[in-house]
Order: sequence, then C-alpha cells, then structure tokens
Amino acid sequence: QSALTQPPSASGSPGQSVTISCTGTSGDVGGYNYVSWFQQHPGKAPKLMIYEVTKRPSGVPDRFSGSRSGNTASLTVSGLQDEDEADYYCGSYAGNDNYVFGTGTKVTVL
Amino acid sequence: QVQLVESGGGVVQPGRSLRLSCVASGFTFNTCAMHWVRQAPGKGLEWVAIIWFDGSKKHYADSVKGRFTISRDNSKNTLYLQMNSLRAEDTAVYYCARDLYRSGWDVDYWGQGTLITVSS
Repeated sequence: QSALTQPPSASGSPGQSVTISCTGTSGDVGGYNYVSWFQQHPGKAPKLMIYEVTKRPSGVPDRFSGSRSGNTASLTVSGLQDEDEADYYCGSYAGNDNYVFGTGTKVTVL
Repeated sequence: QVQLVESGGGVVQPGRSLRLSCVASGFTFNTCAMHWVRQAPGKGLEWVAIIWFDGSKKHYADSVKGRFTISRDNSKNTLYLQMNSLRAEDTAVYYCARDLYRSGWDVDYWGQGTLITVSS
C-alpha cells in the first residue's frame, strides 16, 4: 500500500490560512469516510485534529477544518498561530483491513 | 483522561525478538480496537497492526506480516506487540494508539512512543 501524497511543506504568516492536501485513490481517501488528520510537534506523539473527513474532536480549535473532493482530502488551518507550526499527517482506511498515512507536511509559521 | 504508556523498547540485534507493552487507562479498554504505528527516525508514520476490541481479529501491514504479532489482555488493560526476526529497517519509535470503534478504523489517542533500535 503506497503512502498518500502530501506536499512536503506549507507556510503562512500569523493570522493567514494554510491548506494542506492529501491525495490518494478511490481505494482509500476517495472510498471511505475514515480520513483523519494528525498534528505532530518535534519529539512528541501525534495528536488527532480531524476525523471522518470533517469532524473535529473536542478541544481542537475551530480554526482547523477538513474537507474532501474526490480522492483528495484537505486540512485548512485558519488564523495561523505560532503553535500551529508542526508536521501534519493525513491517514485513511485503505480497504482490505489496511491503513495508510500520508507522506507528511511541515507547516511553518513565518 | 486517556493515557497510553508504552514500554519494552531498547537496542536489539538483527534477527532477535522483542515484546512491547502498552498499558491503557482513562477509558474502557475492552470497547476499543487498538493499533500499533511506527515512525523511523526522521521519517513519516507507518501503520503496523490493529486488533479488535475482543482480540478476535488482527490485521498487519505487509512489511511485518509473519514476523510481528499483536495481542491484548483486557483483564490487564494492556496491548502487546511481539516482534520476531527483527531487521534494521524495523528501527523506529513505536506508538500504541486507540481506535474510536470496536473494529476500527479511526485512530484517536496516541501514547508517547518507545524507541526500538535494531543494530549489531
């Protein structure tokens, strides 16, 4: 199972918005609602930010939102803050009792 | 609050075995599927295995199939990963992670991870 494709990096100034894409196939991102986004700060464990494409866990700021169009899911961070600087990974159920993560995107707050 | 605490990491020679443990607290362990996910140094996340809430089904990534075994003891709120025939490419931080559902596939909480280094 190949990793989902994400851009290596993205950036924005404080207060701006940044959108990260996660491209898969109809066999993973496009075929199931089990698409999630995780934030990981250096040396820390990943943290769930979005699940089931668009749902936000309690405690996650509403600046974080998820969407999907076809085989591409997206994470948008609005009103960027310094603490949003981190690596972001998408993840998706890939059928046949398999799960796949994205390649990861490093978000820099300028 | 949900807590997942992994242990068992360390340095191991190629071809040897190691067992990881993950003790869960703060939620009803026997109602959630559980995962192992790994991250090689400086690399991305790689899903390793899932076990259903009651241990009745287990599934593995192709990269570990036949070498790794996931198991759980619901009476002890503990998840395990038995790793045999270890290779250099198994070097990684291993995370246990909870699933929202009994049979997958929605990872939510993660432990802090334990580092496995496979080296002679």
